[in-house]
Amino acid sequence: DTAVSQTPKYLVTQMGNDKSIKCEQNLGHDTMYWYKQDSKKFLKIMFSYNNKELIINETVPNRFSPKSPDKAHLNLHINSLELGDSAVYFCASSQDGMRTEAFFGQGTRLTVV
Amino acid sequence: AQSVTQLGSHVSVSEGALVLLRCNYSSSVPPYLFWYVQYPNQGLQLLLKYTSAATLVKGINGFEAEFKKSETSFHLTKPSAHMSDAAEYFCAVSGEVNNDMRFGAGTRLTVKP
Repeated sequence: DTAVSQTPKYLVTQMGNDKSIKCEQNLGHDTMYWYKQDSKKFLKIMFSYNNKELIINETVPNRFSPKSPDKAHLNLHINSLELGDSAVYFCASSQDGMRTEAFFGQGTRLTVV
Repeated sequence: AQSVTQLGSHVSVSEGALVLLRCNYSSSVPPYLFWYVQYPNQGLQLLLKYTSAATLVKGINGFEAEFKKSETSFHLTKPSAHMSDAAEYFCAVSGEVNNDMRFGAGTRLTVKP
């Protein structure tokens, strides 16, 4: 069983479209994250949730909206996609969001054309 | 805000040589520190973590890291590089704010035959 699973793995879409990326973890963790990895491999935290509550909301355009229906799921919806949104998006989870490590999904490579 | 700095975006070693990847942290509280590895087109995997127990931490695949508070460092080492160690390595810090794990810019390790 995959611990943190993201779908889809690849997403190619046109500018202006709206798309969603889904994430599920079966580890029973309380904390979930979304990270964006750019072409230079830099990993930037976007959001973190703890038990469905938004904790961290970095300086991310409000076109990005996370939704956590329950503590095992954290989805990312992106409106009006732009070329600069092209990146790999990683979902991760951790048990307590501080002293325990994060477990990462395989990533979603988003390409906006 | 807490952060990590990885010195050297690219490190190249010969097979069998010592691997040294540098990480310095900044944190207003005692940090929790992590090293992750990322192979091409995959998510991040934990190599090792420091959570205030032993200052010398041993991880998977023969890697280890030493926490040095006086130098605010957490460098990753491996006595003898293998070809399979070629990957991107990330240092990360947490502890200052709940549910907030910050990553360094990454170091690409190349292993020459």
